[in-house]
Amino acid sequence: SQQGEEDPQALSIQEGENATMNCSYKTSINNLQWYRQNSGRGLVHLILIRSNEREKHSGRLRVTLDTSKKSSSLLITASRAADTASYFCATVMSGSARQLTFGSGTQLTVLP
Amino acid sequence: NAGVTQTPKFQVLKTGQSMTLQCAQDMNHEYMSWYRQDPGMGLRLIHYSVGAGITDQGEVPNGYNVSRSTTEDFPLRLLSAAPSQTSVYFCASSYTRHARGGRTDTQYFGPGTRLTVL
Repeated sequence: SQQGEEDPQALSIQEGENATMNCSYKTSINNLQWYRQNSGRGLVHLILIRSNEREKHSGRLRVTLDTSKKSSSLLITASRAADTASYFCATVMSGSARQLTFGSGTQLTVLP
Repeated sequence: NAGVTQTPKFQVLKTGQSMTLQCAQDMNHEYMSWYRQDPGMGLRLIHYSVGAGITDQGEVPNGYNVSRSTTEDFPLRLLSAAPSQTSVYFCASSYTRHARGGRTDTQYFGPGTRLTVL
């Protein structure tokens, strides 16, 4: 079963706008990660946030984590056409070796 | 470094055939894993390995075998292919970096193998 559920399933915005994707999960986690997948390609790691962190930034990416609500959000600011991809959250559960459990993903389309 | 490599890129099998999907990494990562991705879904863990000689089952292990005789290689075997195994298969590897504040487990993914079972 999927640990994470992402919302929305699909998002279409204009270039320059911000994109926000949300992820909810079910169990206690060690960390939560966000990955990007371009069509027909493998996944690329974007950012990792640990369970004791609340917010993290990397370039145009901002991730928040609310462990009390078991949710996370990924914000992409000033989006570009090249940001068009599927975005997945993945959790490493507390006590696990390193196994990732993925959500079903958000398909982001950035229109030029 | 080549990173994580997977072969073949595409494969068509008939029901009942067996085959091995190859995965190799040259980053000396101790952790390797196999996932499958079905249309419109996230990745699901099939098997994983925390080091040479050690493997364990993930969420969807039935119909697949793995072995880890070296740090570099982690092949996935389909014993008797079924149409339900039609999917895209991804291999990943990672190391643990202990940073201030905790552990980080970034995974590096291969480009995938697209498998069709007729």
